[in-house]
Amino acid sequence: NAGVTQTPKFRVLKTGQSMTLLCAQDMNHEYMYWYRQDPGMGLRLIHYSVGEGTTAKGEVPDGYNVSRLKKQNFLLGLESAAPSQTSVYFCASRIQKRNSPLHFGNGTRLTVT
Amino acid sequence: DAKTTQPNSMESNEEEPVHLPCNHSTISGTDYIHWYRQLPSQGPEYVIHGLTSNVNNRMASLAIAEDRKSSTLILHRATLRDAAVYYCILITNAGKSTFGDGTTLTVKP
Repeated sequence: NAGVTQTPKFRVLKTGQSMTLLCAQDMNHEYMYWYRQDPGMGLRLIHYSVGEGTTAKGEVPDGYNVSRLKKQNFLLGLESAAPSQTSVYFCASRIQKRNSPLHFGNGTRLTVT
Repeated sequence: DAKTTQPNSMESNEEEPVHLPCNHSTISGTDYIHWYRQLPSQGPEYVIHGLTSNVNNRMASLAIAEDRKSSTLILHRATLRDAAVYYCILITNAGKSTFGDGTTLTVKP
């Protein structure tokens, strides 16, 4: 099994450009999450989804949109990138049970110039 | 939202036990306590979880206070490969899972 796969691994954007980050999981997990991690900091929750067709805001949702049209995919969109969105983005997923662990992808390193 | 509080950093000597504390005074009765660690340039990885009772697995032990307002991750014999950032988080009924800044563990040879 591939687990949680994030594409792309790296991306450089200019201010104002848009892009979509893809998170795909092959474990049939119900819950999926997008986090960002700035240098020397912990992970901050951007948006999350508890099932296909549902999304919810996390701690730092401004400037991002998400969609969960298929259970296995969770997309994170930046409509107009800003330098403050330079960060490493991590996707995670888990099954619905609260005693189940989060499975993380390897991250996407985004730089906005 | 229930929050966790951890020390910013801790140091340990190689092959000695390490006790990493976490406070979660606003925990609710159904929240699970999870621990993750993050090695440099990697995503976090699961370490251990518990609800009320102490737990052991091949990586670590988790000691949970009787009132559940705090917990301690125990690495029985720290190795250099255990140097990482350790996160204590609460998994709630609502599905929202937030991380704090974690504890950076330094292991000295």
